[in-house]
Amino acid sequence: DAGVIQSPRHEVTEMGQEVTLRCKPISGHDYLFWYRQTMMRGLELLIYFNNNVPIDDSGMPEDRFSAKMPNASFSTLKIQPSEPRDSAVYFCASTRQIQETQYFGPGTRLLVL
Amino acid sequence: AQSVTQLGSHVSVSEGALVLLRCNYSSSVPPYLFWYVQYPNQGLQLLLKYTSAATLVKGINGFEAEFKKSETSFHLTKPSAHMSDAAEYFCAVSDYNFNKFYFGSGTKLNVKP
Repeated sequence: DAGVIQSPRHEVTEMGQEVTLRCKPISGHDYLFWYRQTMMRGLELLIYFNNNVPIDDSGMPEDRFSAKMPNASFSTLKIQPSEPRDSAVYFCASTRQIQETQYFGPGTRLLVL
Repeated sequence: AQSVTQLGSHVSVSEGALVLLRCNYSSSVPPYLFWYVQYPNQGLQLLLKYTSAATLVKGINGFEAEFKKSETSFHLTKPSAHMSDAAEYFCAVSDYNFNKFYFGSGTKLNVKP
C-alpha cells in the first residue's frame, strides 16, 4: 500500500485566499483524522471521520475551516479565507479502528503570507 | 472519558544515558495506549502500543514501555540513548467505548554527544 497520501506537500498563499488540502487514506481504513501542528500550539486534532461521517469536529478552530469526506478514499480540509495564523503543517492520518495504530501522511506545509 | 498527560515538554540526555519519558492517563476502563515518534520534518510513526496482552511492551529502536494500572502510567524508556533518538515523542490513548482518541502534548528529546 502507498500509505496515506497528502497533497500538496507545500502550499504558499496570500491572506484571504482559499486553501484546499487533500488526503487519501489507506484503503480499508474506516477512520480519518486531520491534525494541525505548530511550534506554538503543538499537535492539535481538528476533526475526524468514521465511515465518511464526521464524529468530532470540536478541534476545528473556527468557521473558516471546513472538512469533507465525500467517499472512503478522499477527504479535503478547506480554509476560506486563509489568515497568516493558519500557517502550520497539516497532517492526515487513517486507521481501521479507533483503538488501532494511526498511519500518518507526510503532511502539508502551509504558509499564508 | 480519557485524557493523557506528558510530563516535561523537553528532555535532554547524554548519549548512552537512560531515556525516560513520562506519560500518565486518566481512565476508568482499560485503555489502548500508544507511543509515537516524530523525527524532524516527518509525520508521526508508531513506536509501540499497549493492547492488554502484556504490561511490558517492546517497540522499535530499543524502546519499551510499561503499563502500570495502579499508577495510570505508560512511561517510555530506552537503556542507552543514541544521537538518532533525537525527536519528539507523543503518548496517546484511545477510548474504544467513547470512540475517542487523544494525543499528549509531546516531549522533545535532545541527545547530547
